[in-house]
Amino acid sequence: AQSVTQLDSQVPVFEEAPVELRCNYSSSVSVYLFWYVQYPNQGLQLLLKYLSGSTLVKGINGFEAEFNKSQTSFHLRKPSVHISDTAEYFCAGAGAGNMLTFGGGTRLMVKP
Amino acid sequence: DAGVIQSPRHEVTEMGQEVTLRCKPISGHDYLFWYRQTMMRGLELLIYFNNNVPIDDSGMPEDRFSAKMPNASFSTLKIQPSEPRDSAVYFCASSTAGTGGQPQHFGDGTRLSIL
Repeated sequence: AQSVTQLDSQVPVFEEAPVELRCNYSSSVSVYLFWYVQYPNQGLQLLLKYLSGSTLVKGINGFEAEFNKSQTSFHLRKPSVHISDTAEYFCAGAGAGNMLTFGGGTRLMVKP
Repeated sequence: DAGVIQSPRHEVTEMGQEVTLRCKPISGHDYLFWYRQTMMRGLELLIYFNNNVPIDDSGMPEDRFSAKMPNASFSTLKIQPSEPRDSAVYFCASSTAGTGGQPQHFGDGTRLSIL
């Protein structure tokens, strides 16, 4: 069965500190991976996606993620967070013939 | 470009009433998805359409829920009768593909409260 697991439900971090949000996927989820961000009272917005090619993917707002096939991971990183990055982040994956599967979400809380 | 548009943004009603949520997908997107988001269950796919035809409604919780897509630019999700446990945020999303590498584009959601 397909699955995407976000290992942390909440991540508190101080402003200007680096952050990593963890995501692991089952091998059946296969090759297409996404990170979405949800700000309060809004829908999900695409941050970045991995389809193929370079394993390091850069997205909007200074975020990047690295596809690691051997560890079946797709962790999201930012070197220095801002208060405005406070939001919920969703990892999602899909195979060539499979529907998009979402992880449970990670709430990033940036403290001043 | 206009994104996915949902209405209303907020709905508060009493249990037993009929609730209709509306969605306008992005023009040119052949796939439309309805999701429900709650604290307890996270994001759940309820149903999705391809070219206005329902493809998979296995996520629809009960017969009280129904969804239609009469044309390429409009879809509704109806709950009749509504119950307090239906309180959630309902999202509509659209995409150019149902599977694979095409991302889904989400509306801002309808926050539904059933009293």
